[in-house]
Amino acid sequence: GAVVSQHPSRVICKSGTSVKIECRSLDFQATTMFWYRQFPKQSLMLMATSNEGSKATYEQGVEKDKFLINHASLTLSTLTVTSAHPEDSSFYICSAPRGGPADTQYFGPGTRLTVL
Amino acid sequence: DQQVKQNSPSLSVQEGRISILNCDYTNSMFDYFLWYKKYPAEGPTFLISISSIKDKNEDGRFTVFLNKSAKHLSLHIVPSQPGDSAVYFCAASASNDYKLSFGAGTTVTVRA
Repeated sequence: GAVVSQHPSRVICKSGTSVKIECRSLDFQATTMFWYRQFPKQSLMLMATSNEGSKATYEQGVEKDKFLINHASLTLSTLTVTSAHPEDSSFYICSAPRGGPADTQYFGPGTRLTVL
Repeated sequence: DQQVKQNSPSLSVQEGRISILNCDYTNSMFDYFLWYKKYPAEGPTFLISISSIKDKNEDGRFTVFLNKSAKHLSLHIVPSQPGDSAVYFCAASASNDYKLSFGAGTTVTVRA
């Protein structure tokens, strides 16, 4: 079964509104989670690293004031897309490492965001 | 700047035959490589990985080959099955870090 969940699975919102996406590790604790973004027919691009108890670290070119990340607990990270615009429409995926080598991280099912 | 490249966006193969997916990378710091399978509207699922100290890793129908000098790796699936139809992503990390750099993916279609 799934070990990382995301909610909602899809969301449609109006331009200018904010949208919150949750990422949960279901049966393990994750002090670090990762947020990726995937454009159609393109690779997953790492946006930021979510750190429990400290600020998120953002990849170059990602606006931290636009994409707010909060690692609220050892099993929950949230990504808030603020003042969403149509160009923010994308597929957002989180991942959580379970410990061990790089292949022991699990990806959530993703959230499809459509901004009208 | 795409550090991991999958130059073939799609691959069609007949059931029972071998599927070969290729991946190239440019960052010499990468030392751990992974392949993921992804269905539409789902997150990637891990398939197989290889460390730079090896040149081959096999797991059932899946084998990954690594050529460090050429900065190239490939995934072989044999025999291909209809359930293998999906998008396959190559990913790489440095020092076995959890931060992954992904290729653009190759869509595999297995024909019955």
